[in-house]
Amino acid sequence: NAGVTQTPKFQVLKTGQSMTLQCAQDMNHEYMSWYRQDPGMGLRLIHYSVGAGITDQGEVPNGYNVSRSTTEDFPLRLLSAAPSQTSVYFCASSYSLAGLQTQYFGPGTRLLVL
Amino acid sequence: QKEVEQDPGPLSVPEGAIVSLNCTYSNSAFQYFMWYRQYSRKGPELLMYTYSSGNKEDGRFTAQVDKSSKYISLFIRDSQPSDSATYLCAINAGNNRKLIWGLGTSLAVNP
Repeated sequence: NAGVTQTPKFQVLKTGQSMTLQCAQDMNHEYMSWYRQDPGMGLRLIHYSVGAGITDQGEVPNGYNVSRSTTEDFPLRLLSAAPSQTSVYFCASSYSLAGLQTQYFGPGTRLLVL
Repeated sequence: QKEVEQDPGPLSVPEGAIVSLNCTYSNSAFQYFMWYRQYSRKGPELLMYTYSSGNKEDGRFTAQVDKSSKYISLFIRDSQPSDSATYLCAINAGNNRKLIWGLGTSLAVNP
């Protein structure tokens, strides 16, 4: 099993550009989520999904879109990149919808917006 | 008041030391308590979890929960340079799908 994979590993964007961060998992987990991690702010939930076709907002959803057409894939789209979106982005998946949340994280995507 | 508070450190200790990492939380409804370890430029990985008060041991690691004080701890015995990482606590209330994360404590174990 590859676990949770993310592409690209690193990306530089100019302000106003759009891009999609890819995330895939091969563990048949129903629950997937996107976080951003910034110094002094910790991990913040952007969007999450409890199954194919179902998504919901986390605490910092503005400027990001998600979709979940399959169990395996959960891409994150930046609509119009801004310098404030410079961050490290982590995708995670979990087999539990309630109770213990054992989340499996991908290796992260480092995004720099100029 | 934040729901979870964690001192970001950094914490620097000599090899072989006993390390104590701590988080406090505000919501008495929280039931599940987890510790994740994050190496530099990697994603977090689950280290230990518990859902009751008391201690849970796994090798050199012990997780402790004191629900009366709303205080959780992770102890590392005989610390090794390979333990150098950021340690994040994560808590939730059970049926809540969203984890509440601490900021993480950066630990350096010096040979």
